[in-house]
Amino acid sequence: EVQLVESGGGLVQPGGSLRFSCAASGFTFSSYAMSWVRQAPGKGLEWVSTIIGSGGSTYYADSVRGRFTISRDNAKNMLYLQMSSLRAEDTAVYYCAKHIGGGYLFDYWGQGTLVTVSS
Amino acid sequence: QLVLTQSPSASASLGASVKLTCTLSSGHSSYAIAWHQQQPEKGPRYLMKFNSDGSHSKGDGIPDRFSGSSSGAERYLTISSLQSEDEADYYCQTWGTGIHVVFGGGTKLTVL
Repeated sequence: EVQLVESGGGLVQPGGSLRFSCAASGFTFSSYAMSWVRQAPGKGLEWVSTIIGSGGSTYYADSVRGRFTISRDNAKNMLYLQMSSLRAEDTAVYYCAKHIGGGYLFDYWGQGTLVTVSS
Repeated sequence: QLVLTQSPSASASLGASVKLTCTLSSGHSSYAIAWHQQQPEKGPRYLMKFNSDGSHSKGDGIPDRFSGSSSGAERYLTISSLQSEDEADYYCQTWGTGIHVVFGGGTKLTVL
């Protein structure tokens, strides 16, 4: 059974940094691209970042490029998102998502972790 | 620019059927999409992938009541025999060049 479990969200001040994780199990982690998607309160889904299976290529939404860094540890089956220079508009529930093999659509989601950027 | 357009809301009665629409922007009518369901206070759940040639695949445990179809740039999600737990937000998803993932704005389905 595929499982994605996020951890590490919380309250952070504007301009601050935060790193959170997604623990993956139930599939060959290194064979699949993974993404982070966020959802601001009362809003729709917004793609944040994608990393391919090897970790060799990463992609970012314009809204976070230069401030967020996606990474993965295939030996530990872990996905990470390092966020810096945080803004109030980064407040959201962040989900990790597994890609369908050979493409960039998602077939599994984590339960989400809340990040609140506020002073 | 790759854009997915969804109606903000839809409603149908318990036991009836409803057809939700996701429209691909001009020049992108051949793109495959995925449908995701998000029940209140829960994370999204993958329903199915739908290709422009009509082929599709469903997620684990998705009942037969959920089906997909397409016509040109439009992709449809039909839910038959509506149940109360089908009341949720439904999002379509695709991707473009440079691995730019795109979501539609979502349709809020109300089961009357």
